[in-house]
Amino acid sequence: QVQLQQSGPGLVKPSQTLSLTCAISGDSVSSNSAAWNWIRQAPSRGLEWLGRTYYRSKWYNDYALSVKSRISINPDTSKNQFSLQLNSVTPEDTAVYYCAREKTGDTRPLDYWGQGTLVTVSS
Amino acid sequence: DIQMTQSPSSLSASVGDRVTITCQASQDIRNYLNWYQQKPGKAPKLLIYVASNLETGVPSRFSGSASGTDFTFTISSLQPEDIATYYCQQCNTLPLTFGGGTKVEIK
Repeated sequence: QVQLQQSGPGLVKPSQTLSLTCAISGDSVSSNSAAWNWIRQAPSRGLEWLGRTYYRSKWYNDYALSVKSRISINPDTSKNQFSLQLNSVTPEDTAVYYCAREKTGDTRPLDYWGQGTLVTVSS
Repeated sequence: DIQMTQSPSSLSASVGDRVTITCQASQDIRNYLNWYQQKPGKAPKLLIYVASNLETGVPSRFSGSASGTDFTFTISSLQPEDIATYYCQQCNTLPLTFGGGTKVEIK
């Protein structure tokens, strides 16, 4: 059974960096049949995909254009986890952030999700 | 980006009713359409993948179908535990995009 456990601060000041970690159990961040995603949910904006990292002989990243200049998603193979960093945050980045596994191949669902972390951007 | 237009945004039905939610993609997504259930304070849960495939462990009263760029999600007999918000999501093309959600309530 795959489990994703999120950690990180719930309050970030404007202009600072939002950092969250997603620890994986039951699968490997280096799996050749999965991708590891970050998604956020703000009341006014619904579910928004932010980006993903995955390993296919080397590491790849894909990012949403809306955050591409500010985002970094990185794997940590030693701890079997991946992280989200979002720079220069504003109150518009206030949302519940989720990590999720994407089972790649013919089906591609987001089949396992973390518990969610409410991040508030406020001074 | 592919736009996912989901309707209705909310509905109220009685226990035992048949409930239908639709989702229209702005372009061909080759049936790469998933449905999720989200209860308050919880992460979305995968119910249906590739338009009509039931995820393991999900009750058979949930189903999905496709016709071109139009997708339908059905609860054949609404149960009290089905109260939630349901989302469609396309996984054909990046960025992954979601419908706006349908909040299902008991009448």
